[in-house]
Amino acid sequence: EVHLLESGGGLVQPGGSLRLSCAASGFTFSGYAMSWVRQAPGKGLEWVSSTSGSGISTYYADSVKGRFTISRDNSKNTLYLQMNSLRAEDTAIYYCTRDSEGAVASASFDYWGQGTLVTVSS
Amino acid sequence: QSVLTQPPSASGTPGQRVTISCSGSSSNIGINTVNWYQKLPGTAPKHLIYSNNQRPSGVPDRFSGSKSGTSASLVISGLQSEDEADYYCAAWDDSLNCPVFGGGTKLTVL
Repeated sequence: EVHLLESGGGLVQPGGSLRLSCAASGFTFSGYAMSWVRQAPGKGLEWVSSTSGSGISTYYADSVKGRFTISRDNSKNTLYLQMNSLRAEDTAIYYCTRDSEGAVASASFDYWGQGTLVTVSS
Repeated sequence: QSVLTQPPSASGTPGQRVTISCSGSSSNIGINTVNWYQKLPGTAPKHLIYSNNQRPSGVPDRFSGSKSGTSASLVISGLQSEDEADYYCAAWDDSLNCPVFGGGTKLTVL
């Protein structure tokens, strides 16, 4: 059974940093691209970042480019999102998702974690 | 503003058929497949439709999807109270080189 478990969320001041983790199990982790999708309070779903199965290819939304870094450790079956220079508008629930189309990034997310809340506030 | 355009709200009574539209462009829906997600309050999004019209295992056949040109639709037949949720369309955008979501449609079951 596929399982994704996020951790690392919390309260951080504007300008601060946070690293999210997503522990994956139940599938061959390196065989799938992985993504982060967030939902701010009262807002819709927003794609944040994706990485290919190997981790070589990475993609970022313009809103986080230059501030967030996605990475993965296939030996640990874990996905990461390093978030720097955090802003109030980054406040959201961050979901870890698996791309269903294999090692290449897509818009088809078949499994989602339960999400981790990031609050940016002074 | 979302790259894909959805109506902000939709409604229907139990048993009715409801259609939610998703409008895109030649760089996303026009050349790539469409996915639909269901988001219930307090829960993670659920993959409802992939490849325009395919249902993942476990999704009731009351949910169906279609695509024509640069637009797509999600149809819910035999509406049930538990279908009250937010629905999002998504597709890969070749110009932006990333996935894009619609703004979401809040479905109310009257």
